[in-house]
Amino acid sequence: AQKVTQAQTEISVVEKEDVTLDCVYETRDTTYYLFWYKQPPSGELVFLIRRNSFDEQNEISGRYSWNFQKSTSSFNFTITASQVVDSAVYFCALGLNSGGSNYKLTFGKGTLLTVNP
Amino acid sequence: KAGVTQTPRYLIKTRGQQVTLSCSPISGHRSVSWYQQTPGQGLQFLFEYFSETQRNKGNFPGRFSGRQFSNSRSEMNVSTLELGDSALYLCASSRPGIEQYFGPGTRLTVT
Repeated sequence: AQKVTQAQTEISVVEKEDVTLDCVYETRDTTYYLFWYKQPPSGELVFLIRRNSFDEQNEISGRYSWNFQKSTSSFNFTITASQVVDSAVYFCALGLNSGGSNYKLTFGKGTLLTVNP
Repeated sequence: KAGVTQTPRYLIKTRGQQVTLSCSPISGHRSVSWYQQTPGQGLQFLFEYFSETQRNKGNFPGRFSGRQFSNSRSEMNVSTLELGDSALYLCASSRPGIEQYFGPGTRLTVT
């Protein structure tokens, strides 16, 4: 069975601090996708990044960076120089092709990030 | 390009009633998935539709059903509502195999 664990329930930082959100996943499939979504108070899930299981190249996009390590089944997300607008719940998700046309997403419980001014 | 739209945004129903939620995907997206979000269970997959056919289903009772129309718009229906059905229902659209884009959700309260 597949599972996504986000051990950090809540994180509180002061603006301009760097923060890393942890994500550990479990699956027996060799082909899968990993995602990060952000959910601001408005409720809409905002897509941040997708990574497939064959691409362990880490990525930096502006203030965001991602660290994918298959050896430890981790897909961590770092925000550099955090801002108040980054305050949201962040979800890590595992996508598996279960015979449908798309990937069935299994989400972690989410990490509430609060960035204080 | 307009995003995923969901109607209504808020809904209050009584136990035993039924409810229909609507989702209009991003133009050109033919795959629509539905998720339920509750404080206790988190985000859980309900079902996925593509080309008017249900392609995948999560572990929910038969009271939860859905359909997709030829224009890719989708509806989900919950019959015989229970208090535990109170949740944020999120719809996501995508092209097959590509990342899913979510709508703002419909917040359903069952009293």
